[in-house]
Amino acid sequence: KAGVTQTPRYLIKTRGQQVTLSCSPISGHRSVSWYQQTPGQGLQFLFEYFSETQRNKGNFPGRFSGRQFSNSRSEMNVSTLELGDSALYLCASSLWRGKTEAFFGQGTRLTVV
Amino acid sequence: GQQLNQSPQSMFIQEGEDVSMNCTSSSIFNTWLWYKQDPGEGPVLLIALYKAGELTSNGRLTAQFGITRKDSFLNISASIPSDVGIYFCAGQNGGAQKLVFGQGTRLTINP
Repeated sequence: KAGVTQTPRYLIKTRGQQVTLSCSPISGHRSVSWYQQTPGQGLQFLFEYFSETQRNKGNFPGRFSGRQFSNSRSEMNVSTLELGDSALYLCASSLWRGKTEAFFGQGTRLTVV
Repeated sequence: GQQLNQSPQSMFIQEGEDVSMNCTSSSIFNTWLWYKQDPGEGPVLLIALYKAGELTSNGRLTAQFGITRKDSFLNISASIPSDVGIYFCAGQNGGAQKLVFGQGTRLTINP
């Protein structure tokens, strides 16, 4: 069974640009959540999607957005990139019912220059 | 954002030693999770705990869900080189996937 797949693995963008990251969850998983990991702030929750609807949102500015498609794949978008957005962006998927532990992808390393 | 208090922040041990780390929170969680992260990779789930007082093992790893629901610990017995990495605790409530993470414990093993 394939795990959570995130693309691309690495990305370099210029300040002011926008970026879109992609996540394919484990087959059968319907919930996808996104996290930002930085040395200073650690792992911080961005948002969660289930059935194409955002269910929870973390404390991030509106420049961070996401969506989920009918096949449960998800994308997150960051507009008007800032240097501080450089981070490892992690996607996690989980079943909605029963045991809801989250399984993470390898992440996308975003560097803003 | 909210974070759990995880300690110690780092550990330097000899191969074969036992390791213990813990996590505390000012809030109650219904589920506690322990993850291990290697450099450049995503966190890998080690153990999930669902009931207060629950003690669960996964090979050489043992974790417990505190009675107050505000803490959890992870023990690793007879450490081996592949145990090197960063260990994170995470709290979760209900079916929501809004995990709250600890700051991590970096484990280094001297052969």
